[in-house]
Amino acid sequence: EAQVTQNPRYLITVTGKKLTVTCSQNMNHEYMSWYRQDPGLGLRQIYYSMNVEVTDKGDVPEGYKVSRKEKRNFPLILESPSPNQTSLYFCASIPGQGVYEQYFGPGTRLTVT
Amino acid sequence: QKEVEQNSGPLSVPEGAIASLNCTYSDRGSQSFFWYRQYSGKSPELIMFIYSNGDKEDGRFTAQLNKASQYVSLLIRDSQPSDSATYLCAVKRTALIFGKGTTLSVSS
Repeated sequence: EAQVTQNPRYLITVTGKKLTVTCSQNMNHEYMSWYRQDPGLGLRQIYYSMNVEVTDKGDVPEGYKVSRKEKRNFPLILESPSPNQTSLYFCASIPGQGVYEQYFGPGTRLTVT
Repeated sequence: QKEVEQNSGPLSVPEGAIASLNCTYSDRGSQSFFWYRQYSGKSPELIMFIYSNGDKEDGRFTAQLNKASQYVSLLIRDSQPSDSATYLCAVKRTALIFGKGTTLSVSS
């Protein structure tokens, strides 16, 4: 089944404790992206990657890192999480430029205390 | 001016009515426009995309685009309680830029 998976789905952590949210897609898509969604602010892009080893900042990259060493994986790294990073995170992938449908993962709800 | 603007709602319509959701965008060079539906706590799912002026119909859904007015809308005919969700308008540049969404409530 074609899908985007994220792990963990739920995470409660403490300020400053490094964490990684994994994202994997099995569709051989070129383009992958991370969003966060907050009440009243909507979906905002954190980072995106147009292919292996090619990443770029989105609208709200501060406090996050990403890497794209393999086409299928695009982990999101919070080196020192803070409470303002408490949010619902979505990973998404698109087959490539000019293709319209964006496939979203199921989301990761992160709470930083 | 925000890049993609939507009325947050809630928009309340009775079952069987037409729901009209509106979106404006600021970048006149935008080419592709999308409507996503998102149920509470779930990931967004694509309903329709449109890139030419005019109407595009898919079942009960019609997307309308007016590039001169920088306006895109989604009409839902014969609204059902299962249509109750948040509807996100998105505009494609390098990535998708989303509006904050309009919450639709369909009462039976």
